[in-house]
Amino acid sequence: NAGVTQTPKFQVLKTGQSMTLQCAQDMNHNSMYWYRQDPGMGLRLIYYSASEGTTDKGEVPNGYNVSRLNKREFSLRLESAAPSQTSVYFCASSPILQALGGDTQYFGPGTRLTVL
Amino acid sequence: SQQGEEDPQALSIQEGENATMNCSYKTSINNLQWYRQNSGRGLVHLILIRSNEREKHSGRLRVTLDTSKKSSSLLITASRAADTASYFCASPAGGTSYGKLTFGQGTILTVHP
Repeated sequence: NAGVTQTPKFQVLKTGQSMTLQCAQDMNHNSMYWYRQDPGMGLRLIYYSASEGTTDKGEVPNGYNVSRLNKREFSLRLESAAPSQTSVYFCASSPILQALGGDTQYFGPGTRLTVL
Repeated sequence: SQQGEEDPQALSIQEGENATMNCSYKTSINNLQWYRQNSGRGLVHLILIRSNEREKHSGRLRVTLDTSKKSSSLLITASRAADTASYFCASPAGGTSYGKLTFGQGTILTVHP
């Protein structure tokens, strides 16, 4: 049971390049999330997927797109990277919806992205 | 704006001492959670306390919740060097938010051997 996995672990991009961050979970969780973490700040939610087939914007969605490929996988795409997107990106999943009391989130190890 | 704000921003103690971190939040919640993040790693869930609970224990961790003051505290007793990490409080964003959490900025705890 690997939990939440993310690839790649590190990435350096030039301004304007595109890339996709991959996330997968093997815990049969319904909900998945993408966060970014910047120095001195907590985590900020970029996008989330409450269940397979649905995605919604979080706090800082501009410049990003997501795809919930299936129940296991949730990818984050940067279409035209900007230096302001330099950050550490975390994927997380949670078992059931908040309405049913399932708020605990399980995090991946993160992707460190630098945009030059 | 941040739903949760931790205090202090940084805490440095000696091994064996207790560490107390505080969290304040703005809107009504149905639960509050604490997470730990070791340097360069993802967050790990420590404990969840529901709005109808006032105190909860898990090993050396003790969490309190005061909904009237919209605040929570995390106490780590008999700290160890391995407790060195950042600690975040998090609470649901509110309403039918389907498990969305809003995180505070964190407290950096350093435990000196």
